[in-house]
Amino acid sequence: GAGVSQSPSNKVTEKGKDVELRCDPISGHTALYWYRQSLGQGLEFLIYFQGNSAPDKSGLPSDRFSAERTGGSVSTLTIQRTQQEDSAVYLCASSFLGGAKEKLFFGSGTQLSVL
Amino acid sequence: GESVGLHLPTLSVQEGDNSIINCAYSNSASDYFIWYKQESGKGPQFIIDIRSNMDKRQGQRVTVLLNKTVKHLSLQIAATQPGDSAVYFCAENSGGYQKVTFGIGTKLQVIP
Repeated sequence: GAGVSQSPSNKVTEKGKDVELRCDPISGHTALYWYRQSLGQGLEFLIYFQGNSAPDKSGLPSDRFSAERTGGSVSTLTIQRTQQEDSAVYLCASSFLGGAKEKLFFGSGTQLSVL
Repeated sequence: GESVGLHLPTLSVQEGDNSIINCAYSNSASDYFIWYKQESGKGPQFIIDIRSNMDKRQGQRVTVLLNKTVKHLSLQIAATQPGDSAVYFCAENSGGYQKVTFGIGTKLQVIP
């Protein structure tokens, strides 16, 4: 596709359930970011993938959060045993040169609601 | 760690006036700065960028100013329109393969 695609656009789950959020970056982009955005708040960095390098996981809030990027393309963010405080919009972004002076392209996000 | 911060969380501007959104950054190694606009229900979109070897860059109705001495960045929007209403984020990068760091954002409200 022409842009970054995220699915699902909305996800409602019950507390304690696991969820998987998907991101399809722009073809050829080497870097991929996940951010979390609570209502009316800024962007909270979660994880950064750059090519074949080890991902920067420094932003993951707990061990319930994990992410992988298969084949250098699609990424999945997994949240285990979801809690109500996990409710937020999860945004994915990709870029071509991986942090080296280029702009990020964002998807429209997944709105996660934990009941 | 290093972070980028904004002075004003909310800015209200009369339609037709100029808007100035400010940003302070703390990483002195940052050499590339970007402004993003986020409309309701959408992901942030690139507006304009500036490298550290410049102090001013102009786009269409937008100008970014960089003051490296005081580590300050600003976005100026000329003749603000209702469509400019959004949250604006500054972001910085220190080069190489370091990740981009975002500020907390400023909500711009345009009064018709």
